[in-house]
Amino acid sequence: QKEVEQNSGPLSVPEGAIASLNCTYSDRGSQSFFWYRQYSGKSPELIMFIYSNGDKEDGRFTAQLNKASQYVSLLIRDSQPSDSATYLCAVNDGNQFYFGTGTSLTVIP
Amino acid sequence: DAGITQSPRYKITETGRQVTLMCHQTWSHSYMFWYRQDLGHGLRLIYYSAAADITDKGEVPDGYVVSRSKTENFPLTLESATRSQTSVYFCASKEGSGNTIYFGEGSWLTVV
Repeated sequence: QKEVEQNSGPLSVPEGAIASLNCTYSDRGSQSFFWYRQYSGKSPELIMFIYSNGDKEDGRFTAQLNKASQYVSLLIRDSQPSDSATYLCAVNDGNQFYFGTGTSLTVIP
Repeated sequence: DAGITQSPRYKITETGRQVTLMCHQTWSHSYMFWYRQDLGHGLRLIYYSAAADITDKGEVPDGYVVSRSKTENFPLTLESATRSQTSVYFCASKEGSGNTIYFGEGSWLTVV
């Protein structure tokens, strides 16, 4: 059983601030890590993925991976009210994907 | 581009009835998945399929049956629905060589 742990929140940040979302995973052999965004009543949508230690940037989003600490994070710069959603961390093991329970983010205008 | 479509989107059924949730994808992805999402549990894998006629159990398969006679379709059947199966069900797919899964819109099922 692969464990993916996230702080459920809720996390509240003011508009324009940096939101930091964290995730830990149990399987040291995990290779690929994903962040999905899920708006209330909608399906998860992929934001970005990361395979290698370090940072990966895509627009306002930065994923950070530390395999030694089994830790992956997502930073959202210049947070906007439209970023208010639940963020799901996922890891894959071959062709199976394991998800955390998600962190609820609210960006306050 | 329709992607993945699920039907019905919303369903209320009675305990003990059989229910089938349909999933259809237009991408010709080889892998398809069924997840359920419950508060406090996140997304949990029910069944997945690597290709037509190949299916395998996930984390929570009990009470569910799947089939995959065609690549594009992956129906999920609850043989005798129970209240504990009230949930949101998401179908997903990915390319065989890919490592990213894409989700359908979800099916909200209530068992009363």
